[in-house]
Amino acid sequence: DAGVTQSPTHLIKTRGQHVTLRCSPISGHKSVSWYQQVLGQGPQFIFQYYEKEERGRGNFPDRFSARQFPNYSSELNVNALLLGDSALYLCASSTLGQGQRDYGYTFGSGTRLTVV
Amino acid sequence: GQQLNQSPQSMFIQEGEDVSMNCTSSSIFNTWLWYKQDPGEGPVLLIALYKAGELTSNGRLTAQFGITRKDSFLNISASIPSDVGIYFCAVINAGNMLTFGGGTRLMVKP
Repeated sequence: DAGVTQSPTHLIKTRGQHVTLRCSPISGHKSVSWYQQVLGQGPQFIFQYYEKEERGRGNFPDRFSARQFPNYSSELNVNALLLGDSALYLCASSTLGQGQRDYGYTFGSGTRLTVV
Repeated sequence: GQQLNQSPQSMFIQEGEDVSMNCTSSSIFNTWLWYKQDPGEGPVLLIALYKAGELTSNGRLTAQFGITRKDSFLNISASIPSDVGIYFCAVINAGNMLTFGGGTRLMVKP
């Protein structure tokens, strides 16, 4: 069974550009979350989606947006890129909201974004 | 905001030695998680703790959920070179999102 898949694995963008990152959750998982991990730090929560609805948003500017599709895959969009947006962007899927008492979060390998 | 204090930040150990790291918070949480992250990869869940006082093992790893629900520790016994990596504690907060500690970078001398 495939785990959480993210694409692309790496990309380089110029300041001011726009980027779209993609995530496919584990089959059967309906919740997807996005995290930003700056070098040397722990991941920071950006968004959580369940059944195509936003269920949580972290302390990130409006340049960051996301959506979830009917097949539960998700996109993270970042507009007007800044140098400080350079980070590893992680997607996690879970069974949150599906009636399981203990739900774990499984992470993908991430997308390494470099803004120059 | 919520903050998890994880210590130590990094450590060198001799192969075969036991390792201990811990995580504390000023707030109470009902779920504590321990992840390991290898270079170029996402965090991988090692142990999940759901009950205060709970002690759970996964092979050479043992983690405990503190009685106060404000702390947790992770022990690795008989460390080997593949234990190298960054270990993160994390909690699930009221909004069902993960908050991570700053990480403990483990480096093993062969």
